[in-house]
This record gives sequence, structure tokens and C-alpha cells, in this order.
Amino acid sequence: SQTIHQWPATLVQPVGSPLSLECTVEGTSNPNLYWYRQAAGRGLQLLFYSVGIGQISSEVPQNLSASRPQDRQFILSSKKLLLSDSGFYLCAWKGVENTEAFFGQGTRLTVV
Amino acid sequence: DAKTTQPNSMESNEEEPVHLPCNHSTISGTDYIHWYRQLPSQGPEYVIHGLTSNVNNRMASLAIAEDRKSSTLILHRATLRDAAVYYCILSWMDSSYKLIFGSGTRLLVRP
Repeated sequence: SQTIHQWPATLVQPVGSPLSLECTVEGTSNPNLYWYRQAAGRGLQLLFYSVGIGQISSEVPQNLSASRPQDRQFILSSKKLLLSDSGFYLCAWKGVENTEAFFGQGTRLTVV
Repeated sequence: DAKTTQPNSMESNEEEPVHLPCNHSTISGTDYIHWYRQLPSQGPEYVIHGLTSNVNNRMASLAIAEDRKSSTLILHRATLRDAAVYYCILSWMDSSYKLIFGSGTRLLVRP
């Protein structure tokens, strides 16, 4: 069966520090991968998506970047965190057909 | 990008049916209608999706209007565990199959 791993669950980082959040998927190949962010009390904002290794599309300009070094690995990064980067970050994957998406448990990031 | 419109919140009594509406008047012919729900502090969970015909699964039913400009998620018997934010989303069939979430409907279930 397919599973998605996302870590860490919570993270507190100082302003100006770097960030690396990792997401891995098991049990499937060539998935579409997504990073979302959810600010407190708000809806989910699509940040990045990837349809293949090394292929990254950004949905909104921001202080973040994403990479897909392997088929089932998706990384969200920042060189210098801002206070506004705080939020609940969710990784998701979806098959190439128009089927359901599966979400990780999320990382709650607090920038202090 | 096709967008959806949902009420901000709805309330229901436990054990009663719930009808959650969604308007998507700019839907294109190839857009699928997806529903997800999000429990507090968790990632969204898939509920159901459809294209033109009504759909049923163990969680819910999806009723799609004939012109596809609106749909309704039906929970047949609400339980306290169904209290969540419900998102109606259109997924368009380019290579990305992007899911763009709106603000959703917060469902409150009264015991």
C-alpha cells in the first residue's frame, strides 16, 4: 500500500535560519508531488508541485524553494526564514490519473 | 483557474443528513469535482470525486447538477467525527492534476 512520510511534525526555528522539510512516498512510482502551506485559521495554499524528478513548478512567489532529487522524495527549503513563513506545511502525492490525493501529517513550523 | 464557492460554515445535528453545497459556475468539461475534509491539526482526507454522474462511497454521496455548475456532498448520517472543514475542489486534467483549495465549509455537528 502507498504511504507518505513527512517530518518533522513540529519545528521552531529562529528568523534567518535555514529550513529543510522532507517528504517521501512509498508504494508508488512517478507520483505527482505537492507542497501546501496553511496559515492559522486559513485554507491550504499550493506552494509547489512536481510531475517528475527535477521538475518543479512554483505557484506563488515566496521565500521558499522546492526540489525533487528522487522520484519519491520532495524537499521544501529556505535559505533564510521569515516570520511570515510560519504555518502548517503539508506534502501530498497523487497518481497520474485523476484520482485521490494523499496528504502527509504535516509539519507545524513556528518562526520566532 | 476554475474556482469554487462554498458557505463558510454549516451546522447539523448528530444522526441527521447533511447537504454541503458547492458552486463552480466556471467549470470546464474536463474538470473533476473533488471533495476533501480536514480534521483539526491533520492533513486533508479524500472524501469523494466525480465528473458528471452522481457518486456514492462508504463515506458520502456526491450529487452533481446536470449543468455541472454546482454539486452537493451528502453525509447521510452526521456523527461528531464528521465535524471538519470540507473542501470542494476542481481538478483539471493537465499533467499536474493540481488541487487548488478554497476556504471550505466548516461543519459543526451538534450532539
